[in-house]
Amino acid sequence: DAKTTQPPSMDCAEGRAANLPCNHSTISGNEYVYWYRQIHSQGPQYIIHGLKNNETNEMASLIITEDRKSSTLILPHATLRDTAVYYCIVSDWDNYGQNFVFGPGTRLSVLP
Amino acid sequence: KAGVTQTPRYLIKTRGQQVTLSCSPISGHRSVSWYQQTPGQGLQFLFEYFSETQRNKGNFPGRFSGRQFSNSRSEMNVSTLELGDSALYLCASKGAGRGTDTQYFGPGTRLTVL
Repeated sequence: DAKTTQPPSMDCAEGRAANLPCNHSTISGNEYVYWYRQIHSQGPQYIIHGLKNNETNEMASLIITEDRKSSTLILPHATLRDTAVYYCIVSDWDNYGQNFVFGPGTRLSVLP
Repeated sequence: KAGVTQTPRYLIKTRGQQVTLSCSPISGHRSVSWYQQTPGQGLQFLFEYFSETQRNKGNFPGRFSGRQFSNSRSEMNVSTLELGDSALYLCASKGAGRGTDTQYFGPGTRLTVL
C-alpha cells in the first residue's frame, strides 16, 4: 500500500499558485519524498524530491514540515498545461531495489 | 541526453496471444523497472532489473516476465493474454539503482487485448 495520502482532486485558477498537500505520517528517517505528475496517458514526469529541507527547482517548490509527516508541492504560477494527476511518493534512500508505490494521486485541474 | 524509449507505442492483440514490449533506458542507467497502469488498479509495480538480474518483483502472475540485456535494454513478455491485461505499460530507468535515485519514465506502451 502507498505510504502517502492526497486529496483526490483540486482546482486552481490559471496564474495562481497551486498548493498540493501530501500526508506521510509514517515516513522514516531514511525516506525521501518524491513528486511526479502524469498528464493524460503519458509517462509520469519527475518534478522534485527532498529529504527534510525545502527544495526548489525550475518547475516547483517542495515544502516539508519539520516533523516530516507532511509536505506541500507548490506550482507558483499554474498554467493550463499543469493540469495533470500529481503523485506524492516516499522512497527509502538506501534500499536497493526499492520501487515506487503509487497511490491514486491528486487530479489538479487548472481553470482559465 | 535521450530519455527512456519504449516500443511499440501501441499494440492490439487477441486473447491467448503473447506480447513482448521493449524499453531502452537513459544512457548509463542500469536499473529498469516496469509498471502496469489500469483505470481500476492505478500504477502497479511489475518488476525491476538491475545488471541483467531481476531484483524485485510485484504481485503479478507468472504470465508476466522480463529480462534485461547487457546494454541495460529490457523486455517484458506477457503470455496467454487476457482481457484484463489491457493497460498502459510503463518502463522507468534509474542510475545506480539506489532508492534515492530518481526514476525517469518512458511514454509507455498502450496494449489493447481483444
